[in-house]
Amino acid sequence: AQTVTQSQPEMSVQEAETVTLSCTYDTSENNYYLFWYKQPPSRQMILVIRQEAYKQQNATENRFSVNFQKAAKSFSLKISDSQLGDTAMYFCAFMKLNQFYFGTGTSLTVIP
Amino acid sequence: KAGVTQTPRYLIKTRGQQVTLSCSPISGHRSVSWYQQTPGQGLQFLFEYFSETQRNKGNFPGRFSGRQFSNSRSEMNVSTLELGDSALYLCASSLSRLDTEAFFGQGTRLTVV
Repeated sequence: AQTVTQSQPEMSVQEAETVTLSCTYDTSENNYYLFWYKQPPSRQMILVIRQEAYKQQNATENRFSVNFQKAAKSFSLKISDSQLGDTAMYFCAFMKLNQFYFGTGTSLTVIP
Repeated sequence: KAGVTQTPRYLIKTRGQQVTLSCSPISGHRSVSWYQQTPGQGLQFLFEYFSETQRNKGNFPGRFSGRQFSNSRSEMNVSTLELGDSALYLCASSLSRLDTEAFFGQGTRLTVV
């Protein structure tokens, strides 16, 4: 079975600062995908970044980057130059065979 | 192109009733998955449909069912509603079962009273 753990229920960051959200997972699979999704108050899940497990290079999307440690089963998200629009719930997710396994989420607030 | 459309956006039902939720995937997408989101249980997988066939099912009672039509639109049905079925139901679509790029709809907020 796959499990995803997000140990930070809530976090806050000053605008323009950097914040890191933690995520660990457990799986016996060797090939899989990891994701960070953002859910703003509109409730729509928006893909932030995706990482393929067989790629050692950490994924980057503009201000968002991940630190993927496969052996440690760790997948943290770093948000640089935080903006007010980054305020949202962030979910870490594992995908296998088109099924997502989500963590419990981290509520991020960007403070002006 | 249009995103994933879920209807209705909000729904209030009484215990014991049944409800049907609809999801229209992005044009060309053939895989549709459903998730239930509650404060207590978080996001849980309900089922996945591809080519009108259920391919995978989560750990939910038989009161939860679904189907997919030839145009890839999907419906999920919950019978004999319970208070605990109150949740946000999210639908995700992707091109195929091997496609890892999934797009979510805005969800249907179901309240059971």
